[in-house]
Amino acid sequence: SQQGEEDPQALSIQEGENATMNCSYKTSINNLQWYRQNSGRGLVHLILIRSNEREKHSGRLRVTLDTSKKSSSLLITASRAADTASYFCATDAEHDMRFGAGTRLTVKP
Amino acid sequence: SQTIHQWPATLVQPVGSPLSLECTVEGTSNPNLYWYRQAAGRGLQLLFYSVGIGQISSEVPQNLSASRPQDRQFILSSKKLLLSDSGFYLCAWRVGRGIRWAFFGQGTRLTVV
Repeated sequence: SQQGEEDPQALSIQEGENATMNCSYKTSINNLQWYRQNSGRGLVHLILIRSNEREKHSGRLRVTLDTSKKSSSLLITASRAADTASYFCATDAEHDMRFGAGTRLTVKP
Repeated sequence: SQTIHQWPATLVQPVGSPLSLECTVEGTSNPNLYWYRQAAGRGLQLLFYSVGIGQISSEVPQNLSASRPQDRQFILSSKKLLLSDSGFYLCAWRVGRGIRWAFFGQGTRLTVV
């Protein structure tokens, strides 16, 4: 069964704008990860935030984690057309990893 | 460096036929291995994972099975495919301990006709 749930399901923005995606989950986690998937391809890891961290940055990516609300957000700043893809959060337990339904991001040039 | 190979990229199979998808990892030992299925435009459903040779955990009771005959080989099988088995199948691995993220294969698009 899926663990995380992203919202919105789809997001369309103009190049240069910021994109924010949210993820909610149900159980305790060791860490939370965000992945990107180009159409018809495998997923690529973007960023990982540990359960004892509240915010993390990597380039144009900013991730927040609120374990009390069991939620996370991914912010992509100054978006580019090449950021068009689906984005998934994944909750990490000891052995298994469960993904949400994803947010389909479209960045218009 | 580590790499993951998953094949075939696309597969069209008739209903009732058997299935075998193979995934191999190079450059690491004792990885955790995963099979996911993704319906069109949807999220990933965890099907099976394995923490060692011969150790398979099944997440969803279904028409599929998995085996791990070698440390870096993970096989997804079915004796008789159903139409509902169509989808995008993804194999992934990650190291067995510590903080780790997953590396994915390029996926297999299975269409059961």
